[in-house]
Amino acid sequence: NAGVTQTPKFRVLKTGQSMTLLCAQDMNHEYMYWYRQDPGMGLRLIHYSVGEGTTAKGEVPDGYNVSRLKKQNFLLGLESAAPSQTSVYFCASSYEGGGIGELFFGEGSRLTVL
Amino acid sequence: SQQGEEDPQALSIQEGENATMNCSYKTSINNLQWYRQNSGRGLVHLILIRSNEREKHSGRLRVTLDTSKKSSSLLITASRAADTASYFCATVGNTNAGKSTFGDGTTLTVKP
Repeated sequence: NAGVTQTPKFRVLKTGQSMTLLCAQDMNHEYMYWYRQDPGMGLRLIHYSVGEGTTAKGEVPDGYNVSRLKKQNFLLGLESAAPSQTSVYFCASSYEGGGIGELFFGEGSRLTVL
Repeated sequence: SQQGEEDPQALSIQEGENATMNCSYKTSINNLQWYRQNSGRGLVHLILIRSNEREKHSGRLRVTLDTSKKSSSLLITASRAADTASYFCATVGNTNAGKSTFGDGTTLTVKP
């Protein structure tokens, strides 16, 4: 049972390039989330989804887009990467919403934008 | 902001000692969760305490919640070198559609 898998684990981009981070979960969870973590800080919510075909904005959504075409996958896209988007990105999923269920995290995707 | 704030930012103790870290938040919550993050890894859920609970135990972990002071504490007893990690509280309130908001964490170092 893999849990939450993120790909790629590392990526270096030049300013203006685009890319997509993939998150896959095999726990049949309805809720999925994308967070970013900057050095010495906690996690900030970028976008989230409460079920297949749904997405919603979190705390810091600007510069990112997401899609949830399949229940098990949640994609995070950067349309035109900026150095301020250098960060570690974490995907999480949960069975229950409303903060009741625990969040299961992937191992992170480290993105550097030059 | 709903964000929890952990205190202290960093804590260094000897193996066998107890470690206490605190989390304060600003507005009413439904529940509060604690997570651990080992260096370079994802977060792992430790414990959840609901707003109507005052104390909860899980193995060597003890969590308290004081809603009147808007604070929670995480106690790790008889610490081990393997407890070295960052610890985060995450709060879920009435007004943020059930989304968890994380603090900046406490970095715990347990010296063998």
